Amino acid sequence: DIQMTQSPPSLSASLGDKVTITCQASQNINKYIAWYQQKPGKAPRLLIRYTSTLESGTPSRFSGSGSGRDYSFSISNVESEDIASYYCLQYVNLWTFGGGTKLELK
Amino acid sequence: EVQLQESGPGLVKPSQSLSLTCSVTGYSITSNYWGWIRKFPGNKMEWMGYISYSGSTSYNPSLKSRISITRDTSKNQFFLQLNSVTTEDTATYYCARWRGIPNYFDYWGQGVMVTVSS
Repeated sequence: DIQMTQSPPSLSASLGDKVTITCQASQNINKYIAWYQQKPGKAPRLLIRYTSTLESGTPSRFSGSGSGRDYSFSISNVESEDIASYYCLQYVNLWTFGGGTKLELK
Repeated sequence: EVQLQESGPGLVKPSQSLSLTCSVTGYSITSNYWGWIRKFPGNKMEWMGYISYSGSTSYNPSLKSRISITRDTSKNQFFLQLNSVTTEDTATYYCARWRGIPNYFDYWGQGVMVTVSS
């Protein structure tokens, strides 16, 4: 099974900051990583697939990069609506999620 | 717009079966793959299984002996049954649509919290 190590578990940011979340896979996942946003009581929302492809409707302040085992997800100019939890997902071999990152306002 | 909505009991007794329904609007379940994911207290998420557009199924090996996913195409619904539940099955259960090759989850329901307790 492929394991996904996501960090940090929590993150505190001010409005307008840039934040970065990382996920490391236990083996090469060939860029098959997606990133989701989840707000309390809401359905997870797919933001990015295949490392860096933004889903329709995803604001351009969200971005993703990486290759091999190491991937990152960034939000530039954090807005209040971005306060949520974020999860990575590898989908090259079955499906494994990262442990999540809770983004809070400083 | 594709929308999914889970429904089912929020409390199940140990050793009994957990049964949930996912109602889909805006898209036919005879296309794509559809399945279940759960999030445990502490936020670990686990895929449970899916049913394909043709009705074939695939399950997480860790659940294979206890899980069944079925569907009713006339109602555009699919179902989860998890047998012999324990307190470790306490989680929020989500239904989702799979998309792409390889598949990833694009649309999700809001989730239903299920507690296993006597």
